[in-house]
Amino acid sequence: DTAVSQTPKYLVTQMGNDKSIKCEQNLGHDTMYWYKQDSKKFLKIMFSYNNKELIINETVPNRFSPKSPDKAHLNLHINSLELGDSAVYFCASSQGGPGDTQYFGPGTRLTVL
Amino acid sequence: QKEVEQNSGPLSVPEGAIASLNCTYSDRGSQSFFWYRQYSGKSPELIMFIYSNGDKEDGRFTAQLNKASQYVSLLIRDSQPSDSATYLCAVNFSGGSNYKLTFGKGTLLTVNP
Repeated sequence: DTAVSQTPKYLVTQMGNDKSIKCEQNLGHDTMYWYKQDSKKFLKIMFSYNNKELIINETVPNRFSPKSPDKAHLNLHINSLELGDSAVYFCASSQGGPGDTQYFGPGTRLTVL
Repeated sequence: QKEVEQNSGPLSVPEGAIASLNCTYSDRGSQSFFWYRQYSGKSPELIMFIYSNGDKEDGRFTAQLNKASQYVSLLIRDSQPSDSATYLCAVNFSGGSNYKLTFGKGTLLTVNP
């Protein structure tokens, strides 16, 4: 069983479109995250939810909107896609608490043309 | 701005040698430190975490933490070609959300057969 899964694995789209990435974890963790990894491999936190409550909201354009329908799911919706949004987006989860181990999903490679 | 610094490499070592990866961080009060390994095209996976000053060993891997000097290192003994990957240092900074990790930009390690 996959612990943290993401769909789709690849996403190719045109500038200006709206797209969503879905994430699910079956680890029973309380906290989920979205990270962006750019072409230089820099992994940066975007959002984090704990039990469906937003607890981290980094400096991210308003075009990005996370949604957590329950603590096992955290989706990412992106409006009006731009070229600079091209990256690999990773979902992760952890049990929570100070510096718990984070388990990463396989990533979604987004390419904006 | 709380930062995590790593030498981006690439670091190249022969098979069987010791690979030494270093990381410095800016916040003296940081509590938790992690090393993640990321193979090309894959997601990060945890290798080790360390909370206390000193050494922590797990198989061929040893994490070393020196809070006074604000650095954490990872030693890989008897390096194997399968260890070739990017190694990400991550720090849970104090004073902010307990659920947030800040990652360094990673060090690319190549182990030559």
